[in-house]
Amino acid sequence: ETGVTQSPTHLIKTRGQQVTLRCSSQSGHNTVSWYQQALGQGPQFIFQYYREEENGRGNFPPRFSGLQFPNYSSELNVNALELDDSALYLCASSRAIGDEQFFGPGTRLTVL
Amino acid sequence: SQQGEEDPQALSIQEGENATMNCSYKTSINNLQWYRQNSGRGLVHLILIRSNEREKHSGRLRVTLDTSKKSSSLLITASRAADTASYFCATDRGTSGSRLTFGEGTQLTVNP
Repeated sequence: ETGVTQSPTHLIKTRGQQVTLRCSSQSGHNTVSWYQQALGQGPQFIFQYYREEENGRGNFPPRFSGLQFPNYSSELNVNALELDDSALYLCASSRAIGDEQFFGPGTRLTVL
Repeated sequence: SQQGEEDPQALSIQEGENATMNCSYKTSINNLQWYRQNSGRGLVHLILIRSNEREKHSGRLRVTLDTSKKSSSLLITASRAADTASYFCATDRGTSGSRLTFGEGTQLTVNP
């Protein structure tokens, strides 16, 4: 157990809908990163938040957005869902930028 | 795009044997991290090795890093059936947020 929690565990949405995924970071960690993992592939970096500010973004469209709260928990929002958004969404927290990143169990999103 | 590439893609061994997985990457890095993933669940952090380190150990795990060859290896000694999982290397270039760039992983099967 890493102390990083994510909710919900599973989610089914239809094309065009919007979704919010949540992550609670490990105690003492101020950096949160989000990754998307399609079936059979390695995770792809979406973005990172450090002290409530976005601190780097991967090659994802603007309909992927996020927030980090003062308690360092975080949200990932995806608008206008597409079938290709079906994936495992992973959240990772670290004590500082450049340190080990510890992952939560993920949210499995299915878009129909 | 994937920075790291794991080799082999799949590895099947008997319990008690050693397993070696390799990772190559393309650009300079700040650190390299190895992860294990069981059946599409969250990633478990194994070892972080920094660019100025050559070797690290943790229990039955040994990681080496050769920055001149841009490669790393993960050795699991005296493997167990419970080691069956996908193993990923992830590089942190230390730029624009400490994003991790993952390879596609090595699927390790340890037969009892």
